[in-house]
Amino acid sequence: AQRVTQPEKLLSVFKGAPVELKCNYSYSGSPELFWYVQYSRQRLQLLLRHISRESIKGFTADLNKGETSFHLKKPFAQEEDSAMYYCALLRGAGFQKLVFGTGTRLLVSP
Amino acid sequence: EPEVTQTPSHQVTQMGQEVILRCVPISNHLYFYWYRQILGQKVEFLVSFYNNEISEKSEIFDDQFSVERPDGSNFTLKIRSTKLEDSAMYFCASSDYGQRAGELFFGEGSRLTVL
Repeated sequence: AQRVTQPEKLLSVFKGAPVELKCNYSYSGSPELFWYVQYSRQRLQLLLRHISRESIKGFTADLNKGETSFHLKKPFAQEEDSAMYYCALLRGAGFQKLVFGTGTRLLVSP
Repeated sequence: EPEVTQTPSHQVTQMGQEVILRCVPISNHLYFYWYRQILGQKVEFLVSFYNNEISEKSEIFDDQFSVERPDGSNFTLKIRSTKLEDSAMYFCASSDYGQRAGELFFGEGSRLTVL
């Protein structure tokens, strides 16, 4: 069965510090990985997806199949990055069930 | 920008009562989903719906749950006989799938409290 693990419930950093939110997955096939974000009092929304290989709001994430990881990184955290971040896995094209991790709360202090 | 809307935002019900949660997906989307999040736990898939039928469901989605698209706009989740453990935030989502598979647009959620 597919599983997504986010080992940190809370990550607290100071503004300007680098951020890495960890995500590991278990799935034997070729999954698609995503990061979703939920800002305070807002809805869950897609932040980025591994297949597009883009940087959104300064965040990047690289799929490492050898380590089965998809860590989210940002070199310089901003206060507005404070939010709940969820890593999610889709088994592949044609499937519809997103499997979410438990989420990591990122708190960026001034 | 079009959004998924959900009603009610919060519902309190007695155990054993029926509950209907309503969702209006984004109008040109073809795939509809319900997820739930029990307080402090992860977002869990319940069901996906396409072409007027369930395309996939989880083990959580047992006989007490049903979904329906009664007209061209609404997508409902019915819980027939609520249990205490059904207390959760229920999220509706929709997608146009296709090339953007995995990009779900979520509603703000309906919080269900079962007493």
